Amino acid sequence: DTGVSQDPRHKITKRGQNVTFRCDPISEHNRLYWYRQTLGQGPEFLTYFQNEAQLEKSRLLSDRFSAERPKGSFSTLEIQRTEQGDSAMYLCASSSSQGQDIQYFGAGTRLSVL
Amino acid sequence: GQNIDQPTEMTATEGAIVQINCTYQTSGFNGLFWYQQHAGEAPTFLSYNVLDGLEEKGRFSSFLSRSKGYSYLLLKELQMKDSASYLCAVNLKAAGNKLTFGGGTRVLVKP
Repeated sequence: DTGVSQDPRHKITKRGQNVTFRCDPISEHNRLYWYRQTLGQGPEFLTYFQNEAQLEKSRLLSDRFSAERPKGSFSTLEIQRTEQGDSAMYLCASSSSQGQDIQYFGAGTRLSVL
Repeated sequence: GQNIDQPTEMTATEGAIVQINCTYQTSGFNGLFWYQQHAGEAPTFLSYNVLDGLEEKGRFSSFLSRSKGYSYLLLKELQMKDSASYLCAVNLKAAGNKLTFGGGTRVLVKP
């Protein structure tokens, strides 16, 4: 069990560019979540997968954001035409529907849009 | 809406005890979580309460009263490494499996 891993850890991009982040959950976890966190705030929910099915999306997730989990393992989060307001830490978490469903977080990808 | 309130900042002395309160206003409650987050790092799971009462884990304890919409995290025998943000999060039955977080309480431990 290597925990939840995210790549890259840091991403600097120019406004208008597209970016993609990857999350590898804990191997036996069937649920995967994406959150966004800005400085001094708690994480805000973006979207949630159970296996490969995307079951919920936040209203925060505009049409520039898309997430996939094609084989029910790793997930990607893509932001198209980035804006300065997209600058934040993007956190991924995973959990198992068996038991207490505790979410374990990765270290996040810090996005800076210039 | 789902309001989750916790103090913004607390300061305590090494070796002392600090209690971080969290109140929530919501229906369909399905569990409350506490996470610790050091600056620039991932939130780390500390505790989970779904029934009323106290859960103890070493130096950390968490309490829940569902009727009052209230929880606290108690940190005993404070160490310098406990300086971090502490996040209270609620899982709502009506909201899938997502967690709704408070803004976090930054705890500063002084020597």
